[in-house]
Amino acid sequence: GIQVEQSPPDLILQEGANSTLRCNFSDSVNNLQWFHQNPWGQLINLFYIPSGTKQNGRLSATTVATERYSLLYISSSQTTDSGVYFCAVEGFVFGPGTRLSVLP
Amino acid sequence: DTGVSQNPRHKITKRGQNVTFRCDPISEHNRLYWYRQTLGQGPEFLTYFQNEAQLEKSRLLSDRFSAERPKGSFSTLEIQRTEQGDSAMYLCASSFSTENTIYFGEGSWLTVV
Repeated sequence: GIQVEQSPPDLILQEGANSTLRCNFSDSVNNLQWFHQNPWGQLINLFYIPSGTKQNGRLSATTVATERYSLLYISSSQTTDSGVYFCAVEGFVFGPGTRLSVLP
Repeated sequence: DTGVSQNPRHKITKRGQNVTFRCDPISEHNRLYWYRQTLGQGPEFLTYFQNEAQLEKSRLLSDRFSAERPKGSFSTLEIQRTEQGDSAMYLCASSFSTENTIYFGEGSWLTVV
């Protein structure tokens, strides 16, 4: 089955810093989504982005389907951005996540 | 507009007992998904429904697990003869089949003692 990898596994930032999270997948996909899981466990959908680039406020995402990777950019990070970021393909396969801690 | 609702939020049960979780999806969403998540891991897909039809089941879904969506609205996930390894958060999500964005509930925590 399709494999999903994420990097880095952990990331610690000072408030205001920018970061890039990466998701690699082993086969072509029709459906790729990014999620944020907050410290209370709630998963929030950030982007549905099987290809191309999207932006939503301080967050943006780019998927290069032909090269089988996606990037999530977080600019001017805030403490509320802390949590775990997952990418998921086809709605079924989640990566292991990137744990982000934003320090005040 | 209510989101995906899951009940109970927390369940502690003795090994060998049966447990049932309920999920109410966002109204009019025709797809419903179940996942399991353990600490430090990403969600693992268990099964999904389109309307009342169960279209996909993971190999993780042993014969002790059964899921139903009898009228294409709410769904139940039953675990029979629970084992300590079943301790996890069980997540439900829903979506439209024509719009792939998946919306998650808050999860149901299961602890088997």
